Formats: sequence, structure tokens, C-alpha cells
Amino acid sequence: QLQLQESGPGLVKPSETLSLTCTVSGGSISSSGSYWGWIRQPPGKGLEWIGTIYYTGTTYYNPSLKSRVTISVDTPKNQFSLKLSSVTAADTAVYYCAKYTTSGGGDWFDPWGQGTLVTVSS
Amino acid sequence: SSELTQDPAVSVALGQTVRITCQGDSLRSYYATWYQQRPGQAPILVIYAKNNRPSGIPDRFSGSSSGNTASLTITGAQAEDEADYYCNSRDSSGNYLVFGTGTKVTVL
Repeated sequence: QLQLQESGPGLVKPSETLSLTCTVSGGSISSSGSYWGWIRQPPGKGLEWIGTIYYTGTTYYNPSLKSRVTISVDTPKNQFSLKLSSVTAADTAVYYCAKYTTSGGGDWFDPWGQGTLVTVSS
Repeated sequence: SSELTQDPAVSVALGQTVRITCQGDSLRSYYATWYQQRPGQAPILVIYAKNNRPSGIPDRFSGSSSGNTASLTITGAQAEDEADYYCNSRDSSGNYLVFGTGTKVTVL
């Protein structure tokens, strides 16, 4: 079945760029109609949608993060990536990647990766 | 601040029924999706597109909606249902996705 796995540095310095990759296995990232997304969760807090990308490269970003976020897809590697620039301690969170589906008035993320904790600290 | 509001916490006796609600104007136009998150784990999808359950999700989980409120009902709560539950839908513009504030369910 489809599985997703996040990877990247667990520690990023303030003002630098956070970079994460999500590797998709058990299916093709470029399947027709495939969307992919990033969600984060600060320690002890709720979930926050970061953005989604269509397999063709069209992106949708959370307005509150849009100026700092870039999501891209690498179809040969079956991966998609997240870059978040100018990070601060407020960006410390567990970052999840997930497959996103929109259909018939509903939107959902399934499956999810296991998540990776990124700490912003000097 | 989230455009989808949930009660912070609810409790339910083992085997009883609990309803978790999610309120937001966008729910008049879009379905809510529900996720379960156990401590230290990634969220899992439990209800999508109003009242559909992915394979492997017990039928004690059901979804419904009325006006600006979506609900997740657990009928006959089990100990393993103790978790945080989040709703998810569009924002009021319909252009972006938002998560609810989350509800912690305790099974007594």
C-alpha cells in the first residue's frame, strides 16, 4: 500500500531555511489526479495545513505562510519537498507529509507519513 | 486562529456514546473530515466526505452535519478510542484548508 516517509535535518538555525523531503513508495507520485501535502504540529498544539501540490507542480499555500513556503515535486525520484525560509522558534514542529484527495465536496489527507520533528534553535 | 472550532475536551464512559462537534461557516458548503491522533503518533483518517470510513476504521465511528456544525459520533466507545480528534475542511473562502482546534477524548 501507499507509504510516505519524511526526511531532513532535525535542527535548523534561526533565519535559515528548513528543507524536508517526502518519499512516496507503493505508488506513483505522478498518478493522474494526485495531490500531496504538508501539515505541521507544534509541540503540544494542533495541526496546521502548510500547503499542497498537484503532481503537475501547481501549488496551494496557507496564506499565513505563503511568503516563506515553497513546495515542489520530483517525479523521477517519487518525492516532493518543503522549503520554509527565515525560520524562527515558532516554526518548531513535527512536520507531516500526506497524500491529499479532493472529491465531491470533501477534502482529506490519507495516508500520512510518521512525521519528523524539526527544532529551530541556535 | 482556526476557522473551525472544537470543544477542547470531552469524556465518555466505556461502551457509551460520545459526539464531537466542529463549528465553522465553511461547513455549510463543504464536508468535514475527521482524524484521530493517539499520543506520539501521526493522525489517521477516520471519516471523510461527510460519512465515509476508510477500510479498517470500525463502524462505531460515524459522521454527520447540520448547518455550520459537523459531528463525529463514537457509538460504544472503546479504550483505544482515547485520543485527540481533529476536523478539517475548507476556510470560509473555499480556497484553503483548515484544521479544527482539536478535541481530546478521554474514555473513563
